[in-house]
Amino acid sequence: AQSVTQLDSHVSVSEGTPVLLRCNYSSSYSPSLFWYVQHPNKGLQLLLKYTSAATLVKGINGFEAEFKKSETSFHLTKPSAHMSDAAEYFCAWGGYNKLIFGAGTRLAVHP
Amino acid sequence: DTAVSQTPKYLVTQMGNDKSIKCEQNLGHDTMYWYKQDSKKFLKIMFSYNNKELIINETVPNRFSPKSPDKAHLNLHINSLELGDSAVYFCASSQARSGRYNYNEQFFGPGTRLTVL
Repeated sequence: AQSVTQLDSHVSVSEGTPVLLRCNYSSSYSPSLFWYVQHPNKGLQLLLKYTSAATLVKGINGFEAEFKKSETSFHLTKPSAHMSDAAEYFCAWGGYNKLIFGAGTRLAVHP
Repeated sequence: DTAVSQTPKYLVTQMGNDKSIKCEQNLGHDTMYWYKQDSKKFLKIMFSYNNKELIINETVPNRFSPKSPDKAHLNLHINSLELGDSAVYFCASSQARSGRYNYNEQFFGPGTRLTVL
């Protein structure tokens, strides 16, 4: 069965420092993988997606993620955090007409 | 604006009542979904419809009945509401890449926060 594990429930960074949000997946075949962001009391917005093309995927707002099949990982990074990046981030596996989400990582950004 | 919209945004009701949540997408997608987000922010698929046909029913109690009158709409009716139904319900849509197996990204509505008292 497919599953997604987000390794950190909370991440705290200072503004201007790098962000790393970790995601591992388990799947019996090549996945589609996604990162979504949810700001407080808002819906989910797609940040980026991996669908078996380039392993380094660039998304919106300066985020990118690298698909590493050998490590079954799809970690999200950003070189320099901004206050507006504070939100909940979800990694998701896609296929068979559904998304399977990780438990989410809350990113806090401090001045 | 092109989007996935849901009504109402907030829904407060008593246990035992019946309520509905409506969802519409104008993205031209052929697949729509309902997800439930619990108090710990965990998101789980409830239903998936492709071209008005039910594809996924993820062990949801039969008090929950989705209805898709056309490809652009997917409504959720809930009978005999229980305290445990309190959650945020998200509608989403996507375009199937090939047949029923949909690997494409999903676009989410703003959510409906249901509170059962």
